[in-house]
Amino acid sequence: NAGVTQTPKFQVLKTGQSMTLQCAQDMNHEYMSWYRQDPGMGLRLIHYSVGAGITDQGEVPNGYNVSRSTTEDFPLRLLSAAPSQTSVYFCASRRGLAEMSSYNEQFFGPGTRLTVL
Amino acid sequence: AQSVAQPEDQVNVAEGNPLTVKCTYSVSGNPYLFWYVQYPNRGLQFLLKYITGDNLVKGSYGFEAEFNKSQTSFHLKKPSALVSDSALYFCAVRRGSSNTGKLIFGQGTTLQVKP
Repeated sequence: NAGVTQTPKFQVLKTGQSMTLQCAQDMNHEYMSWYRQDPGMGLRLIHYSVGAGITDQGEVPNGYNVSRSTTEDFPLRLLSAAPSQTSVYFCASRRGLAEMSSYNEQFFGPGTRLTVL
Repeated sequence: AQSVAQPEDQVNVAEGNPLTVKCTYSVSGNPYLFWYVQYPNRGLQFLLKYITGDNLVKGSYGFEAEFNKSQTSFHLKKPSALVSDSALYFCAVRRGSSNTGKLIFGQGTTLQVKP
């Protein structure tokens, strides 16, 4: 298994541009999520999905959209990039949705480093 | 609301000495607690977790963590540090009864092990 993959690894955008960060997993995990990592702030949840067709907001959803048309893919869209969105973005997935599965650990992708000028 | 605090931005320890990376949490109900490690320019890797049962849990690379309910802590420990343990460590908590599984992270602690 490739696990969780993310593309691109690096991206530079100008303010106002839009782009999509790609995330895919081949473990048939139901739960997928996007985090951003900023110095001194840990990881903050942007959006998450509990299955195909179902998404919900996390702690910091503004300026981002997601969709989940398949189990494998969970793209993150920046609608109009702003310098405040300069960050490292991580996609993660975990197995299961039922209450007793919420103890399963998450698997993280390698990250996308985004700079907005 | 759930929260996690890692009170130390950086922990320095000499190789061969024991190490402790501190974590305290706040969550309603029973907590599910996790430790992850991040090496430079890499994603996070799972180290260990506490769900229920024995308060001392053992994980990857010789790490262990002790759950203390009265102190709401989940400190990461290792009896003898290696230079290769130098990395960024994150503690995380999830509310046990939540089936949507939102995981809340601390701000991270940089561990520096010197030869």
